[in-house]
Amino acid sequence: DAGVIQSPRHEVTEMGQEVTLRCKPISGHNSLFWYRQTMMRGLELLIYFNNNVPIDDSGMPEDRFSAKMPNASFSTLKIQPSEPRDSAVYFCASRAGTAYNEQFFGPGTRLTVL
Amino acid sequence: EDKVVQSPLSLVVHEGDTVTLNCSYEVTNFRSLLWYKQEKKAPTFLFMLTSSGIEKKSGRLSSILDKKELFSILNITATQTGDSAIYLCAVEGNTGNQFYFGTGTSLTVIP
Repeated sequence: DAGVIQSPRHEVTEMGQEVTLRCKPISGHNSLFWYRQTMMRGLELLIYFNNNVPIDDSGMPEDRFSAKMPNASFSTLKIQPSEPRDSAVYFCASRAGTAYNEQFFGPGTRLTVL
Repeated sequence: EDKVVQSPLSLVVHEGDTVTLNCSYEVTNFRSLLWYKQEKKAPTFLFMLTSSGIEKKSGRLSSILDKKELFSILNITATQTGDSAIYLCAVEGNTGNQFYFGTGTSLTVIP
């Protein structure tokens, strides 16, 4: 199994541009999580999906952020418009079942907004 | 407010030393506590703890949970330079898939 796949690995963009981050979870995993990691705030859960349905998006910073999971093998996190304070590493993680199983993290996307 | 607090924030030791990392939590409807190791990439899973007093062990690493006092420790014996990483503690609440991460302990092992 290739593990959780994220793309791109690095993204540099200018303020105001739209950014789309992509994630392919491990096959058979039915929960998917988007996290943001910064030095100041550590790992923050943005949103998670269970069986492709968004369960809790209370961690999404504001309306500029949106996430979709159109099917069990693909999810996107979009930022529009992007701002310099969005610069961070964005991780996607997936896990099987709904409890007592560890999450498997993707390699992350390092986003820099100039 | 649910939270996970790790200490110390950073630690520098010499190879061969033993270290103890701490994680305390206040999370509604605790379900499990997880330890992750993060080098210059994604966090990788180490342990999951659900019951008090039962030690989980993997090589030189071990961990134990105290659900009464709401904390866990991660021990690393005979440290090696390859143990240098950020160690993250996460607690899962029982309200679905809600995970709360601590800010991590940065461990540096010098030769």
